[in-house]
Amino acid sequence: EAAVTQSPRSKVAVTGGKVTLSCHQTNNHDYMYWYRQDTGHGLRLIHYSYVADSTEKGDIPDGYKASRPSQENFSLILELASLSQTAVYFCASSYTETLYFGSGTRLTVL
Amino acid sequence: GDQVKQSPSALSLQEGTNSALRCNFSIATTTVQWFLQNPRGSLMNLFYLVPGTKENGRLKSTFNSKESYSTLHIRDAQLEDSGTYFCAAEAGSGTYQRFGTGTKLQVVP
Repeated sequence: EAAVTQSPRSKVAVTGGKVTLSCHQTNNHDYMYWYRQDTGHGLRLIHYSYVADSTEKGDIPDGYKASRPSQENFSLILELASLSQTAVYFCASSYTETLYFGSGTRLTVL
Repeated sequence: GDQVKQSPSALSLQEGTNSALRCNFSIATTTVQWFLQNPRGSLMNLFYLVPGTKENGRLKSTFNSKESYSTLHIRDAQLEDSGTYFCAAEAGSGTYQRFGTGTKLQVVP
């Protein structure tokens, strides 16, 4: 079973502050993803990566940056957090098929 | 958003009964995944489908690429089946999955 670990589990941030969400996977998966979940919207893809040192934009990349320094680690960066970025964030990894999700990070921006 | 439409949006089932959830796709879809998000928020993968049918215990899923839909059948519903079911469509190799907005299922005694 793929192991995807997210940190922190929850975070409260101030508007305009910088937030970094971290994701670590231990199964040698090439692909990693960051999704956000809002009530009524399901999961929407922010950024993804298919190889270290490279990231791609998903459907809603504005206001977010991503970093993939190694195959195992994928970070999501909010340089200037805004109220609208309050959500639950999920990281996932995959090889070619099934997505394996982390437990999520609940981010509240005040 | 509307590229993957799930129905119904919510459903209440009596324990022991059967039901079907559906996803309709407005994008050309090559593979479909089904997930269950439990009440604690964890997402578990249920099925990964190319066109065809898969079965696992009380769950069976079908993906019909020609008619652009997928179904998830739940047989003999149990309390632990409660949660939100998501389908996700992939449009082809090198693309990524797009999620529906989910079906919230509550199984009651």
